[in-house]
Amino acid sequence: GAVVSQHPSRVICKSGTSVKIECRSLDFQATTMFWYRQFPKQSLMLMATSNEGSKATYEQGVEKDKFLINHASLTLSTLTVTSAHPEDSSFYICSARGGGGRARDTQYFGPGTRLTVL
Amino acid sequence: AQSVTQLDSHVSVSEGTPVLLRCNYSSSYSPSLFWYVQHPNKGLQLLLKYTSAATLVKGINGFEAEFKKSETSFHLTKPSAHMSDAAEYFCVVTPNTGTASKLTFGTGTRLQVTL
Repeated sequence: GAVVSQHPSRVICKSGTSVKIECRSLDFQATTMFWYRQFPKQSLMLMATSNEGSKATYEQGVEKDKFLINHASLTLSTLTVTSAHPEDSSFYICSARGGGGRARDTQYFGPGTRLTVL
Repeated sequence: AQSVTQLDSHVSVSEGTPVLLRCNYSSSYSPSLFWYVQHPNKGLQLLLKYTSAATLVKGINGFEAEFKKSETSFHLTKPSAHMSDAAEYFCVVTPNTGTASKLTFGTGTRLQVTL
């Protein structure tokens, strides 16, 4: 149980285009989802926290108009990188935390999405 | 405020020998502590967690960790390393408030397992 999926696993896009990444909790309802960014050989950096049905809370220094987050249901959150540039290339990882059961106090992570902007 | 210090950025052990990955934390609240493992180009997998119950926590794949409040430590151990254990390990702390709290990650320890 407590499985989180991400799609796509890998995406290459041209500079200036937008890319959408999906994060799904497959076997539990995720009241809160988190989006992280990870640079090579570094730890995870929290970008934003989203609660189902409400606006995401962004960390300091993260542009909310560039990284659009939608958490429309208890099993799906999306991150859209708008007008992507090469410096947005990174490994993006989502996590989900449920409202009850074993997922209540633990974040379960997706497998990550490797974004490369040419 | 909370923080995590992973004392070793890189640990190398021989297959079949014990593993020790060190982690110290600081937290203004009673903490929950986690160890996650990340294999190359993969997401994070939960190894084990401490949430104010038993101080010796057993996780998956033979790993365990002991919460020592007096030493503010949560070191990860395994009696016998396997080649498949080679990965990046993250120690993580969050306030044990029962609400959706932010995770604070350590900088990671890369475990290398040699023959």
